[in-house]
Amino acid sequence: QKEVEQNSGPLSVPEGAIASLNCTYSDRVSQSFFWYRQYSGKSPELIMSIYSNGDKEDGRFTAQLNKASQYVSLLIRDSQPSDSATYLCAVMKGGAGGADGLTFGKGTHLIIQP
Amino acid sequence: KAGVTQTPRYLIKTRGQQVTLSCSPISGHRSVSWYQQTPGQGLQFLFEYFSETQRNKGNFPGRFSGRQFSNSRSEMNVSTLELGDSALYLCASSRSPGGALYNSPLHFGNGTRLTVT
Repeated sequence: QKEVEQNSGPLSVPEGAIASLNCTYSDRVSQSFFWYRQYSGKSPELIMSIYSNGDKEDGRFTAQLNKASQYVSLLIRDSQPSDSATYLCAVMKGGAGGADGLTFGKGTHLIIQP
Repeated sequence: KAGVTQTPRYLIKTRGQQVTLSCSPISGHRSVSWYQQTPGQGLQFLFEYFSETQRNKGNFPGRFSGRQFSNSRSEMNVSTLELGDSALYLCASSRSPGGALYNSPLHFGNGTRLTVT
């Protein structure tokens, strides 16, 4: 079982709709969760971080975490063509060591159709 | 505030050569991590440095090494290059060690695209 799994897509969403991106992780000791956006040919850009169960909202973005189900999601409201990118889910285990760095999923390719 | 700066942006090397990549973190960030990104494997953790000490290392061969200087700048070295080392190498910085714990997320540079022929 892969440590962090995402549907590779492409996920096609009409402009103005809600895009829903999902991620599951296998290690129950994971404590920190991140969503990065990566445009083609560019470096990953941090969008959201979430550390406790529940929802966290920032503008059009909402991250949702359910540790019992080992599930993280990202909702993008009022999707815009500029949101078209690959979205990477990243997970880190707890503790000061962060022994393995961030573990990334392979990303979901999101396409917002005008 | 300037972001993470990586040099060079592009490199072409031949098998057997070695290469050194450079990374300057965001001002005030003392932790530097390196990642390799390939289409097949995605983003994989190489190692992390904090206060000139390697704290963690990913599952990569000893040909991959790094160091950090007193000004937090970091270099990564790959010796005896192989075709499979062709990848985008990303450096990321954060304020605290551990790289991504509470309120200390990683910020990535633009990367160095290495092509091995």
